[in-house]
Amino acid sequence: EAAVTQSPRNKVAVTGGKVTLSCNQTNNHNNMYWYRQDTGHGLRLIHYSYGAGSTEKGDIPDGYKASRPSQENFSLILELATPSQTSVYFCASGTGTYAEQFFGPGTRLTVL
Amino acid sequence: SQLAEENLWALSVHEGESVTVNCSYKTSITALQWYRQKSGEGPAQLILIRSNEREKRNGRLRATLDTSSQSSSLSITATRCEDTAVYFCATDYAQGLTFGLGTRVSVFP
Repeated sequence: EAAVTQSPRNKVAVTGGKVTLSCNQTNNHNNMYWYRQDTGHGLRLIHYSYGAGSTEKGDIPDGYKASRPSQENFSLILELATPSQTSVYFCASGTGTYAEQFFGPGTRLTVL
Repeated sequence: SQLAEENLWALSVHEGESVTVNCSYKTSITALQWYRQKSGEGPAQLILIRSNEREKRNGRLRATLDTSSQSSSLSITATRCEDTAVYFCATDYAQGLTFGLGTRVSVFP
């Protein structure tokens, strides 16, 4: 059974709209991560968390917020979506800073 | 520029052949990880090799690490069509891991 799940799997949003991407993990990992993946850029870290109530900025946090209400759940929020945020978003969990990361299946977001 | 990067965008091989993906990195590391991403899926770790290890095996996979040249390789023997994927190396980074752009490996019948 999948340990990291994401919802929705596909999303079409309008420019200026609010988008929330959700991630749930059953690994009981402290660390969770949000990446976006674009051709030519690879995986880029947006936000991460060390545990419930904690969120930290990654390499490209502008335009994104994150929320970690519990050990299991980590959300990525786009308050005012823009076409440049069209991408595939991956959530991951891990036991420690340099440890293996377990990825979800991804969410394809298109902002029109 | 990338802190970790594979040296080729794409490789093609026939089933049964071997293939090697190479990676170079720019900082001192505690470990290097290899991930595979199949189409429509998230990446999944294949091997973790620590800085004090020179070689690590996992079934048909063999990873090497040369800390003096800051390079690593991942070899797959007896390739199968299902090995078709993008292969990434990932190294330590301040906030966790940094991933290379990946090498697309295509295995043809």
